[in-house]
Amino acid sequence: DAGITQSPRHKVTETGTPVTLRCHQTENHRYMYWYRQDPGHGLRLIHYSYGVKDTDKGEVSDGYSVSRSKTEDFLLTLESATSSQTSVYFCAISESRQEQYFGPGTRLTVT
Amino acid sequence: GENVGLHLPTLSVQEGDNSIINCAYSNSASDYFIWYKQESGKGPQFIIDIRSNMDKRQGQRVTVLLNKTVKHLSLQIAATQPGDSAVYFCAETRSNDYKLSFGAGTTVTVRA
Repeated sequence: DAGITQSPRHKVTETGTPVTLRCHQTENHRYMYWYRQDPGHGLRLIHYSYGVKDTDKGEVSDGYSVSRSKTEDFLLTLESATSSQTSVYFCAISESRQEQYFGPGTRLTVT
Repeated sequence: GENVGLHLPTLSVQEGDNSIINCAYSNSASDYFIWYKQESGKGPQFIIDIRSNMDKRQGQRVTVLLNKTVKHLSLQIAATQPGDSAVYFCAETRSNDYKLSFGAGTTVTVRA
């Protein structure tokens, strides 16, 4: 998967708890992205980063925050998890506009 | 991802036949159109892209066609194989933008 890992791969958490997902790359790519994937919605961008400490919102950013303190790590935090945030989360990296490399995904269940 | 969509959510194809997967888009400002393949349990994988100033681009067993007049994109897979069974997403991006907008996807099932 092009030197990109996600952790954890699976997580079950309770409503109201904070959750942090980690994306780690070894490719030194400038751009990093967090998506969520739900049936019938394809992939929707949550947040993305265009450099260390440079981040911006995507189309479904409410309830999520991100941080990027190093080139290789991009963290996604659910500040207070809700059942509507049950989803599969994918991290992606890129150096070009059209080709992104995706991680294996994290399946998050909020009960 | 609401600017890009697919005509059919599922497609069943006989092994060895050609597959055609369609996608409609609405954003005239998009300058790159891309196809991704997602196998079960994995992240999406880049297949091929086409720039808006082109009509056709060929890869290995795949061809992407772009019709800007009707805002239509298609992916043709020649001699479909069992390994082609996956969900296929079209995506688009605009000039100077490093974000992609994805369509909802078409699930392709290859029959033996």
